[in-house]
Amino acid sequence: GAGVSQSPSNKVTEKGKDVELRCDPISGHTALYWYRQSLGQGLEFLIYFQGNSAPDKSGLPSDRFSAERTGGSVSTLTIQRTQQEDSAVYLCASSLGTSSETQYFGPGTRLLVL
Amino acid sequence: QKEVEQNSGPLSVPEGAIASLNCTYSDRGSQSFFWYRQYSGKSPELIMFIYSNGDKEDGRFTAQLNKASQYVSLLIRDSQPSDSATYLCAVRGSSNTGKLIFGQGTTLQVKP
Repeated sequence: GAGVSQSPSNKVTEKGKDVELRCDPISGHTALYWYRQSLGQGLEFLIYFQGNSAPDKSGLPSDRFSAERTGGSVSTLTIQRTQQEDSAVYLCASSLGTSSETQYFGPGTRLLVL
Repeated sequence: QKEVEQNSGPLSVPEGAIASLNCTYSDRGSQSFFWYRQYSGKSPELIMFIYSNGDKEDGRFTAQLNKASQYVSLLIRDSQPSDSATYLCAVRGSSNTGKLIFGQGTTLQVKP
């Protein structure tokens, strides 16, 4: 596609449920990043992929959060047993490689945990 | 101390004025510095990046970097109401993962 796409655009879930967020990067981009933006806050790094491997998972807030990437393309961020503090906008970005200066952001998934 | 700090604002300037946005960072090994613009409810879009000391100009935008003082700034000349947005400063640190560390952003209001 022309840009980074994410789905769903909005997700409302109940506390304790699991959610899956999907990111489809720009074709040919090998690096993929997940960030989280809570209300009124800056972006918080979660995890980064180079190809299918994740050399840096340092931003994942807890073991309820996991992510995978298959085929060097689509990535899924999974949050298990969601909590209200997980409510945020989850943004995915991709770049040609880790040395590339430009990360292109998707539109985000707005997650609300009731 | 936060890794990347910005004044949250709002910074209010009249149309046609110069808007000056500032950012400081803590990691002396940081290599690259970015300014993103984010309109309300939208995702961030890159304005420009800088990695060498000094100034870098792109149209109405000028990024300034001073590594000794660990600050980076963004000047917007001839500010327009359409420039009203939140401006995020981001730093790529000394690790080689490409991850960006963002400040909380400065809200700019350009009044007609």
